[in-house]
Amino acid sequence: DSGVTQTPKHLITATGQRVTLRCSPRSGDLSVYWYQQSLDQGLQFLIQYYNGEERAKGNILERFSAQQFPDLHSELNLSSLELGDSALYFCASSRDRGELFFGEGSRLTVL
Amino acid sequence: GQQLNQSPQSMFIQEGEDVSMNCTSSSIFNTWLWYKQDPGEGPVLLIALYKAGELTSNGRLTAQFGITRKDSFLNISASIPSDVGIYFCAGRLDYGGSQGNLIFGKGTKLSVKP
Repeated sequence: DSGVTQTPKHLITATGQRVTLRCSPRSGDLSVYWYQQSLDQGLQFLIQYYNGEERAKGNILERFSAQQFPDLHSELNLSSLELGDSALYFCASSRDRGELFFGEGSRLTVL
Repeated sequence: GQQLNQSPQSMFIQEGEDVSMNCTSSSIFNTWLWYKQDPGEGPVLLIALYKAGELTSNGRLTAQFGITRKDSFLNISASIPSDVGIYFCAGRLDYGGSQGNLIFGKGTKLSVKP
């Protein structure tokens, strides 16, 4: 158990819909990262937050947005969903040395 | 941008064999991390390396931070069936007191020989 909690574990929705994925980092971790992993693909960095502020942005689509709240949990919002958005979405958190600890992921299926 | 080349892409193992995989980069890093991912689960951190030349073990796993700071190696000795999975390397360059982005390799998929 990494200490990073993600909900929901599975989500099935239709094209055009909007979903929100939630992440609670490890206790004491200020940084939260979001990654996307499509079938048999590597980990694509989406966005990083540090103590409530956006720190770095990767290949995140304009239809996607994220935020980190004062209690440090984070949400990733995916809107106008397309079939190609079906993937595993991982949240990770880190502390001082930058070692990322990943949650178990949210599997999104868009039909 | 920065890219990591991880090889091999896939390999088959027989129980008891030693396994080697590596990552190379066109840029220097000052942190290398190795992760293992089982199907449907999140990557789990295996080994972290912070100094060029550093050699670190975690049970049957040994990883090294290359002297040039552009590569890293992971070895698994006496493999067992539960070693099957996808192994990812990740590198980062920190500068000016700030942490850079963690760049992931595309993974090495370990399977059992039929």
